Amino acid sequence: AQRVTQPEKLLSVFKGAPVELKCNYSYSGSPELFWYVQYSRQRLQLLLRHISRESIKGFTADLNKGETSFHLKKPFAQEEDSAMYYCALGLRGAQKLVFGQGTRLTINP
Amino acid sequence: DADVTQTPRNRITKTGKRIMLECSQTKGHDRMYWYRQDPGLGLRLIYYSFDVKDINKGEISDGYSVSRQAQAKFSLSLESAIPNQTALYFCATSGTGGTNTEAFFGQGTRLTVV
Repeated sequence: AQRVTQPEKLLSVFKGAPVELKCNYSYSGSPELFWYVQYSRQRLQLLLRHISRESIKGFTADLNKGETSFHLKKPFAQEEDSAMYYCALGLRGAQKLVFGQGTRLTINP
Repeated sequence: DADVTQTPRNRITKTGKRIMLECSQTKGHDRMYWYRQDPGLGLRLIYYSFDVKDINKGEISDGYSVSRQAQAKFSLSLESAIPNQTALYFCATSGTGGTNTEAFFGQGTRLTVV
């Protein structure tokens, strides 16, 4: 079965510290992975997708097929990074997204 | 000028009542989705639609029904609301570029069933 696991419900780091939000997936097909973010009082929005191999707001994520992971990283956290982060798996055949449980990231000043 | 608009934003209803949540979009997308968000469970797919004539059940469709009235409109109904349907509901749309296409979300409807 397709599944996305984000092991940390809550993550708290200090400003300037590195951040890593973990995401593991289970899928027999070729995975398409995304990170979505929900800032306070805003709607859920796409942060980045693995196929683009881009850095958005200082965040990067590398797909590791061997470890079935797609962890989100940022070397120096900023207060405005505080938000709810969701990892999502795109199911190619079914054309839909499966979301993880979400991680609430809090950046302390 | 939101691309995906949900109404109402908040609703409190009684057990056993029928309630409809509405979603409209101006993105011109064919694909529309309804999710519910619960603490610790993330977003779970209720129903999705690839065009007006194509409706599909998601992972938690029991107790819900949907109607795709037009390309731009996708409504979610709770036929007889129960307290464990208390949640935050999100509508989303996406284009036809495959699963790599970005999904656009509404602002959410907070539903409380008492």
